[in-house]
Amino acid sequence: GAGVSQSPRYKVTKRGQDVALRCDPISGHVSLYWYRQALGQGPEFLTYFNYEAQQDKSGLPNDRFSAERPEGSISTLTIQRTEQRDSAMYRCASSLVAGDEQYFGPGTRLTVT
Amino acid sequence: GQNIDQPTEMTATEGAIVQINCTYQTSGFNGLFWYQQHAGEAPTFLSYNVLDGLEEKGRFSSFLSRSKGYSYLLLKELQMKDSASYLCAVRDQSGGSYIPTFGRGTSLIVHP
Repeated sequence: GAGVSQSPRYKVTKRGQDVALRCDPISGHVSLYWYRQALGQGPEFLTYFNYEAQQDKSGLPNDRFSAERPEGSISTLTIQRTEQRDSAMYRCASSLVAGDEQYFGPGTRLTVT
Repeated sequence: GQNIDQPTEMTATEGAIVQINCTYQTSGFNGLFWYQQHAGEAPTFLSYNVLDGLEEKGRFSSFLSRSKGYSYLLLKELQMKDSASYLCAVRDQSGGSYIPTFGRGTSLIVHP
């Protein structure tokens, strides 16, 4: 079956612009997670959802970052007024239930110029 | 939160055995995962331990000692394709969250 997909795979944007990153989880997976991963580091937790409810957003760096999953399936991570320090690989993962083994998407490489 | 420690890099020879260690400090341990991540790709699940002991899955095994806050991933009969980063992730339920926290990963280089 289809795995986790993310779009776009690459995004280059100018400082100050807003970006929206999309994640399409595995069908039937209750939990959806957003991570940021720097080169040579493990994934850094940002936020996660069970169904459409955002359960934990403690990892979001500041209020420029937000996420939603309105129908309990596809999720969007939005970064407003992007800054160069936001440049990173943003990964989405899903799992059958919270805390279970996670299936990761290919990521979106965001570059802020 | 958790404090997860893994070696940054290891090298090994094709055909050999390598052990990648992970130590952690957590107040509400609730499971440990190992993931493999090839360069430029997404992490993929390898193993899960929640009870003490060894879990074997083909060439890969994972061990857990909860009292010592210690796990290792054992890779046997190393192949070149095993060159990758290996991520240890610990689930801690003390804060009410079941979300695993990832270590920084161990980069394994397998040479002929």
